[in-house]
Amino acid sequence: EDQVTQSPEALRLQEGESSSLNCSYTVSGLRGLFWYRQDPGKGPEFLFTLYSAGEEKEKERLKATLTKKESFLHITAPKPEDSATYLCAVQASGDMRFGAGTRLTVKP
Amino acid sequence: DTAVSQTPKYLVTQMGNDKSIKCEQNLGHDTMYWYKQDSKKFLKIMFSYNNKELIINETVPNRFSPKSPDKAHLNLHINSLELGDSAVYFCASSQESRTGFGYTFGSGTRLTVV
Repeated sequence: EDQVTQSPEALRLQEGESSSLNCSYTVSGLRGLFWYRQDPGKGPEFLFTLYSAGEEKEKERLKATLTKKESFLHITAPKPEDSATYLCAVQASGDMRFGAGTRLTVKP
Repeated sequence: DTAVSQTPKYLVTQMGNDKSIKCEQNLGHDTMYWYKQDSKKFLKIMFSYNNKELIINETVPNRFSPKSPDKAHLNLHINSLELGDSAVYFCASSQESRTGFGYTFGSGTRLTVV
């Protein structure tokens, strides 16, 4: 069965303090690995799709990378507005399976 | 605005009642989904519909039934509500031919069963 594990569960950073979020996955026939951002009281918002090992995607202060077993979401010089829960999901032959998320708090 | 919209946003009801949550998308997507997010924020797929056909049905109780009158709507009907049904329910949509764009989610319906 497809499995997605995210770590850490929660991460508190000072503004400007760079860090990385991890997503480990077990899936047969990966079609795509997805990153989403979820703000309190809202639905997940799509950020990136990664398809194969070695691929990287960037958006503002976020960069997502992919290996055969895990993905990292690197956050460079974060700002308080980056505070949210970041969700990782994998898709093989069927629906999208989500991890439990990492709750990121960036303090000014 | 193009979006996935769900109603109601909040729903408080007593055990044993029957309730429905409505979902509409105006993105022209061909597949719609229902996800349940529990208290630990874990999103689990419940159903998906593609061109009015149910293509995924996870091990959810048969008290839950999706109803799709057309490609733009996927409503969730719940019979005989139980305390454990309390959660946030998200509707989402996607285009099968454009999987790289991920899913577009609604803003959620917080269901509280008392």
